Amino acid sequence: NAGVTQTPKFQVLKTGQSMTLQCAQDMNHEYMSWYRQDPGMGLRLIHYSVGAGITDQGEVPNGYNVSRSTTEDFPLRLLSAAPSQTSVYFCASGTDRGQLFFGSGTQLSVL
Amino acid sequence: GESVGLHLPTLSVQEGDNSIINCAYSNSASDYFIWYKQESGKGPQFIIDIRSNMDKRQGQRVTVLLNKTVKHLSLQIAATQPGDSAVYFCAEAGYSSASKIIFGSGTRLSIRP
Repeated sequence: NAGVTQTPKFQVLKTGQSMTLQCAQDMNHEYMSWYRQDPGMGLRLIHYSVGAGITDQGEVPNGYNVSRSTTEDFPLRLLSAAPSQTSVYFCASGTDRGQLFFGSGTQLSVL
Repeated sequence: GESVGLHLPTLSVQEGDNSIINCAYSNSASDYFIWYKQESGKGPQFIIDIRSNMDKRQGQRVTVLLNKTVKHLSLQIAATQPGDSAVYFCAEAGYSSASKIIFGSGTRLSIRP
């Protein structure tokens, strides 16, 4: 049972580049979400989804897009990377709105 | 706006003692509160949760207390062990199953031998 799988684990981008962070879960969870965590800080919610075809904005959605075409996958797209988006990104899924299972994170650096 | 915060950013505890980590929340409409543990280099891990219609819930070596009158949440860890060293986050979910799950800023717990 893989749980929540995030790829890549590390990524370096130049300012203005776009990329997609992948997230997949094999637990048939309806709820999925993306958080970013800056050094020494808490997790801030970017976007979340309560099921296939349904997404909504979190606390810090600007500069990011999401889609949820299947229950399993919830990719996060950076439209035009900026240094302020340097962070660790965590994807999470859950059956209940509070009991989330997290991936191992993607460390992103934007130069 | 809605916010979930913590009273103490760091906490140092003697091994074997009990630890108490505190959290304040501001949204009185919140229905569900959760504690997570994050070890270095890993994603957060669910510890325990409590609904707003409860004031206490116990797990294995952990107890969560909820005081809705003063909007305060605490996590008590009994007989703290070296493996308890981590950052602990409280999180808040709203009244709807489609609500956001918002995290607080975290408390680092360190264990003295």
